[in-house]
Amino acid sequence: QKEVEQDPGPLSVPEGAIVSLNCTYSNSAFQYFMWYRQYSRKGPELLMYTYSSGNKEDGRFTAQVDKSSKYISLFIRDSQPSDSATYLCAMSAVRDDKIIFGKGTRLHILP
Amino acid sequence: GAVVSQHPSWVICKSGTSVKIECRSLDFQATTMFWYRQFPKQSLMLMATSNEGSKATYEQGVEKDKFLINHASLTLSTLTVTSAHPEDSSFYICSAEGLAGVYEQYFGPGTRLTVT
Repeated sequence: QKEVEQDPGPLSVPEGAIVSLNCTYSNSAFQYFMWYRQYSRKGPELLMYTYSSGNKEDGRFTAQVDKSSKYISLFIRDSQPSDSATYLCAMSAVRDDKIIFGKGTRLHILP
Repeated sequence: GAVVSQHPSWVICKSGTSVKIECRSLDFQATTMFWYRQFPKQSLMLMATSNEGSKATYEQGVEKDKFLINHASLTLSTLTVTSAHPEDSSFYICSAEGLAGVYEQYFGPGTRLTVT
């Protein structure tokens, strides 16, 4: 079992819809959870990071962490065509000096 | 803020030659930088962690003599691919660690290397 699992998609949704992106993980030591957005042929851009369980909101984006289920989510409200990109989840344990990435989910927002 | 640049953005080289890629943090100082490799439709694979003023720490399976990393200052790290082969063709991305620690990384735009 890989440490971080993420459905590669592609996921296509109409403009204005709520998007739900998810990752599961196996390492219970992970405490920091990040979401990155990567446009084609570009480096990833940090969207949000959260510590431990709970929710965090930033504009149209909401990150959720359920450590009991080892499951994290990113919700995008009022999705826009400019949100079309690959979204990568990433995780790290407290004492780790590196983060582990998921494969990324390709998202297409249809105008 | 938190801008990281990479140069060049793409490079084509012949097999057997060496290529140097630069990674710069433009508006902040980064004690720690990371080098990743990404194949199409695959995740980022960490190659090495670069600390200013000390030797880089390489991940298992990464040849340190082939991928030379130098972190000469708090704003510059370089990756040199020595004696490049076609299988080294990939997308190389660097990141710089923010104040919050390894969980806060800012990525460069990447360098696409093609070895012919």
